Amino acid sequence: SQQGEEDPQALSIQEGENATMNCSYKTSINNLQWYRQNSGRGLVHLILIRSNEREKHSGRLRVTLDTSKKSSSLLITASRAADTASYFCATDAKETSGSRLTFGEGTQLTVNP
Amino acid sequence: NAGVMQNPRHLVRRRGQEARLRCSPMKGHSHVYWYRQLPEEGLKFMVYLQKENIIDESGMPKERFSAEFPKEGPSILRIQQVVRGDSAAYFCASSPSGLTGNTIYFGEGSWLTVV
Repeated sequence: SQQGEEDPQALSIQEGENATMNCSYKTSINNLQWYRQNSGRGLVHLILIRSNEREKHSGRLRVTLDTSKKSSSLLITASRAADTASYFCATDAKETSGSRLTFGEGTQLTVNP
Repeated sequence: NAGVMQNPRHLVRRRGQEARLRCSPMKGHSHVYWYRQLPEEGLKFMVYLQKENIIDESGMPKERFSAEFPKEGPSILRIQQVVRGDSAAYFCASSPSGLTGNTIYFGEGSWLTVV
């Protein structure tokens, strides 16, 4: 079964609005990370939240983690056209080796100018 | 400090040929991961290597795919006798150690097209 499932699959908003993406996972984790991917490019690490943390901020990004519900959310405030990209959550499960990550299918965010 | 370097960025192969993808990790990183991304999908783990050792290859197809990370030089992902279904983006990532909680850094990917 797929670990790390994001919703919505696609999100279209206007510049200046906030964008919220959700991620659910199935197993116990050490941490959860969010990545961004522009079309045809590699992944850019945005933020890592550990299993004992509930909320983390980085600039316009706010990530929450609820381990009891096995879910996380990524909030991008005051969105810009340049935020248009795919966003992936990735979990580092307790039973896997090293820093191996399991990715969700991603949310495609479009920010219209 | 250069990031994770992958080459080639784009590779076209005919069915039945071999594809070799190379990855140089970030300086000081001795742990390398390969992931595959099919169109419109998320990344799927393939293999995790340390220098001269395969630690976890549970995501690798049993046939035609192999990976190595020699003592000297880049990590290589090798796909023999490619088929159309191998067309995908292959991403390499590296981390300084195998401890959980490390941020892992991704390269720009190698896009393989099988014609």
